[in-house]
Order: sequence, then structure tokens, then C-alpha cells
Amino acid sequence: QSAPTQPPSASGSPGQSVTISCTGSSSDIGGYNYVSWYQHHPGKAPKVIIYEVTKRPSGVPDRFSGSKSGNTASLTVSGLQAEDEADYYCSSFAGTNNLVVFGGGTKLTVL
Amino acid sequence: QVQLVESGGGVVQTGGSLRLSCAASGFSVQVYGMHWVRQAPGKGLEWVAYLRSDGSTELYADPAKGRFTISKDTSRNTVYLQMNSLGVEDTAVYYCARNIWGGPPILFSYFDHWGQGSLVTVSS
Repeated sequence: QSAPTQPPSASGSPGQSVTISCTGSSSDIGGYNYVSWYQHHPGKAPKVIIYEVTKRPSGVPDRFSGSKSGNTASLTVSGLQAEDEADYYCSSFAGTNNLVVFGGGTKLTVL
Repeated sequence: QVQLVESGGGVVQTGGSLRLSCAASGFSVQVYGMHWVRQAPGKGLEWVAYLRSDGSTELYADPAKGRFTISKDTSRNTVYLQMNSLGVEDTAVYYCARNIWGGPPILFSYFDHWGQGSLVTVSS
């Protein structure tokens, strides 16, 4: 089973919006509504920003939103801020054998 | 508050073994499932292993099967990853993470807390 595909990089200016895609298969993203997104600043612990496709944990700004269509999940960051510059990973439940898959990660640069 | 602290990383030669520990505080590992996730240098996150809260189920990614074992000591509220037959491809920062499940039969919904990671370097 191959990992979901994310673009290696994305960028936007402060205040703009950017969308990061995550394309998997019917065995993971397309098969379950258990897609999550993580923000990872190098050297720090990853942080969940979206879970179960669209839900935001307490404390995560509503500038972050998630969606899914078929085998592709998306993360949208609106009103980009300098502190949003980080690596972003999608993840999905993938059944009781493989359990968890991660996308390859996207480096978001705020110009 | 919830805290996860990994330890036990270091430099080991090819073919060697290492045991990582993840000390949990602010919650009980008897109530939550736990995972190990790794990140090789310059690469993305990779799920490694999972242990169900009641200890009844262990699951492993293919690269870890037959070589790694996840376990826990509830008296110490600590989760372990025993790694044997290590290869250079196992060089990575290893994170422990707490599981949130989706309700039966969905064992995993997301990771809600992560540790800071422990670096394992396998040298040839």
C-alpha cells in the first residue's frame, strides 16, 4: 500500500489562502472519514490541527479547515501568518492491518 | 496536563538493539492506546507501531514486523519500543503519540498528543 500523495511544497503571502491536497485510495482516505492533519515545526512535536476530516481541536484557529472529496483530502489555511510556516502532514486510518498512513508531507512557506 | 517524554535513543551499530521508552503523565496508558511514529532525516512521518489500551492488540508497519516490539508497564505508566536487528534505514527521530480511537471497529482516529522525540542513529 503506497502512502497518500501530497505536493512537496506550497507557498503564499501573508493574508492569502493556500490549500494543500492529500490523495490516497479507497483503502484509506476514500474509505473512511478519519483523516487528520498535523502541523510540524522542525525540532518540535507535531500538532494535530484537523481530525475526522473537518473537525478542529480546541485552540486551533478557524483559519485552518479541512475537507474531503473521494480519495482526496484537503487542508486550507486562510489568512496566512508567518507562524503558519511549517511542514504539514495528512494521515488516515487504513484498516486493521496497516492501521495508519501518512502523506509525504508539504512544506508551507509564507513569503 | 498530558505529557509524553521519550528516552533511550542513541548511536547503535548495524544489527544491534535499542529500547526506547515513553514516559506518560497526565493520563493513564491503561486507558489510551499508544503509537510510535518515526521521521528519518529529510523524510516525512512514518507510522511504526500501535498498542491497544488493554494490551490485547499490537500492530506494526511492514518495516517493523518481526524486528520491533511495542509494550508497556502500567505501573510506570510507560510505553516501550524494543528494536532489534537495526539497519541504517532505521535511523530516525522516534516519537510516541497518544491514540484517539474512532469507536469500534475504528482503532485509530488521530494522534492528540506527541512527545518531543528521541533520535536513533544506526551506524555501519
